[in-house]
Amino acid sequence: EAEVAQSPRYKITEKSQAVAFWCDPISGHATLYWYRQILGQGPELLVQFQDESVVDDSQLPKDRFSAERLKGVDSTLKIQPAELGDSAMYLCASSLTSGVEQYFGPGTRLTVT
Amino acid sequence: DQQVKQNSPSLSVQEGRISILNCDYTNSMFDYFLWYKKYPAEGPTFLISISSIKDKNEDGRFTVFLNKSAKHLSLHIVPSQPGDSAVYFCAASAGSNYKLTFGKGTLLTVNP
Repeated sequence: EAEVAQSPRYKITEKSQAVAFWCDPISGHATLYWYRQILGQGPELLVQFQDESVVDDSQLPKDRFSAERLKGVDSTLKIQPAELGDSAMYLCASSLTSGVEQYFGPGTRLTVT
Repeated sequence: DQQVKQNSPSLSVQEGRISILNCDYTNSMFDYFLWYKKYPAEGPTFLISISSIKDKNEDGRFTVFLNKSAKHLSLHIVPSQPGDSAVYFCAASAGSNYKLTFGKGTLLTVNP
């Protein structure tokens, strides 16, 4: 069964350091999403890509977060510099262009110390 | 302003009984609703969905009901099994970019 791949699964970093997460969507899924989930909350969309183009990044803190999907396949989310409040689960999801159902990867648990 | 609300943080039921998870929404533009299940240290897993033009969708033990006038939907699990113990998220989408807005989740515990 096709799955969304994410790495690393866990990341511990000190504040002010840079950190990056990687996501490989399900093959054929043109739409890719990055979410952040804080403990006790539901996932919140950070950025949405359609192929290599950003569709929605209205909730992305652009002073420290960046995301790219250069070839329209896999994607990288970067935080620089990391802050204590960035500690959360970062989830990647993908979907068909015409599909509302999104399929999630296992996530990256980030802890900023 | 929370557009999707799951007011019960937790629910406990006995194995074999019905589990009913509830979700309310405020945005009338939502036209598609989904339920996801999440185990600890894993990503959410898509469970079942319903379009706003329907009032019921069934898939095996899982049924979702939508009451548009009340802006309310519910997920019924019958019969409940211990493996159903997880956090359940309600999500809603409006428009063609399919952006999902999630509730805070309900922790379901099914006791043997």
